Amino acid sequence: DIQMTQSPSSVSASVGDRVTITCRASQGISNWLVWYQQKPGKAPKLLIYAASSLQSGVPSRFSGSGSGTDFTLTISSLQPEDFATYYCQQTNNFPWTFGQGTKVEIK
Amino acid sequence: QVQLVESGGGVVQPGRSLRLSCAASGFTFSSYGMHWVRQAPGKGLEWLAVVSYNGKVQYYTDSVKGRFTISRDNSKNTLYLQMDSLRTEDTAVYYCAKERTTQRSNAIDSWGQGTLVTVSS
Repeated sequence: DIQMTQSPSSVSASVGDRVTITCRASQGISNWLVWYQQKPGKAPKLLIYAASSLQSGVPSRFSGSGSGTDFTLTISSLQPEDFATYYCQQTNNFPWTFGQGTKVEIK
Repeated sequence: QVQLVESGGGVVQPGRSLRLSCAASGFTFSSYGMHWVRQAPGKGLEWLAVVSYNGKVQYYTDSVKGRFTISRDNSKNTLYLQMDSLRTEDTAVYYCAKERTTQRSNAIDSWGQGTLVTVSS
């Protein structure tokens, strides 16, 4: 199975900050990489698919990049509603696997 | 709009069985692959299984292979997860989820609200 490793596990940031989360796959997955946002007690929400494609309705301050084994989710200017946990997931082959999550907290 | 409503969760003893259901509406259910994903209390997301649009192909993660069975009834717009030989480590919120497109699956774009399964003696 493909292992997904996110870093950092948590980050403290202020409103307006630029936040970057990285995700590394244990083997190449081309651009089959997805990013989700999850708030406490809620189901995850799709942000980015195919590494860099923004899901409809997601604010443009979210962006994704990368290919192969190394990927990045960037929030260009953190908003109050962005404090949440973010997960990457590889969809290159089954079983799909998630990273362990990155919690974005208020500084 | 897309709606996915899970049911069937509850408290069950180790070694027993439980069947989860997910009622789908707001889209052409028979055209999309469907997934189950779970989240143990305070933990991250774990992808469990997928079934193809026509029910003919399934894949599982190793931790549930041979114990859980994913299936669907397109005439009832319903997804199922049969869970046998349950273990305490299966305690989690279980989410039903829909693939983003009808083409090669590459993401989940809709999730249910989740149903809690607690395995405890």
